[in-house]
Amino acid sequence: QSALAQPASVSGSPGQSITISCTGTSSDVGGYNHVSWYQQHPAKAPKLMIYDVTNRPSGVSNRFSGSKSGNTASLTISGLQAEDEADYYCTSYTGSATVFGGGTKLTVL
Amino acid sequence: QVQLVQSGSELKQPGASVTVSCKTSGYTFTNYAMNWVRQAPGQGLEWMGWINTNTGNPSYAQGFKGRFVFSLDTSVSTAYLQISSLTGEDTAVYYCARDWLRAVFDSWGQGTLVTVSS
Repeated sequence: QSALAQPASVSGSPGQSITISCTGTSSDVGGYNHVSWYQQHPAKAPKLMIYDVTNRPSGVSNRFSGSKSGNTASLTISGLQAEDEADYYCTSYTGSATVFGGGTKLTVL
Repeated sequence: QVQLVQSGSELKQPGASVTVSCKTSGYTFTNYAMNWVRQAPGQGLEWMGWINTNTGNPSYAQGFKGRFVFSLDTSVSTAYLQISSLTGEDTAVYYCARDWLRAVFDSWGQGTLVTVSS
């Protein structure tokens, strides 16, 4: 199972919005509504930000939103803040396994 | 609250074995599967597989079959990852993660750094 494709890096200024894409196939992202997004700060454990494409766990800011079209899922962060600077990973269920994206480093300029 | 507390860092020689533990609290251990995730230095997250905490049946991702073993001790709500025949390529942080919904990892251990070096 190949890793899902994410851009290596994205950047934005405080207050702006950014979108991170996560591209898979019809066997993973396109075939299931089980796409999640995780935020990871340096030397910290990942944190669940979005699950089942669009859902936010309790306590996660509504500045974070998710969507999907075909084989590509997206994470949008609006009103960028300094603390959003981190690595972001998508995952998808594949029917028998879970696959991670390669990760995207978000820099807040 | 839900907590997953992993064992401490390990330094091992090539060829040795290591066991990482993941002690849970704050929920019924057997109600949620446990996953293991690897992160090599400077690299991304890699799903290793999962273990059914009801049956003890493990499932391993490609690339993690053979030297990797997932196990449980339900009496102490703890999951284990054992890696044998260690090489430098096994140097990584290993995380346990609770499977809240299908492939949704809502709670994570703090990570255990395993360093393989002579």
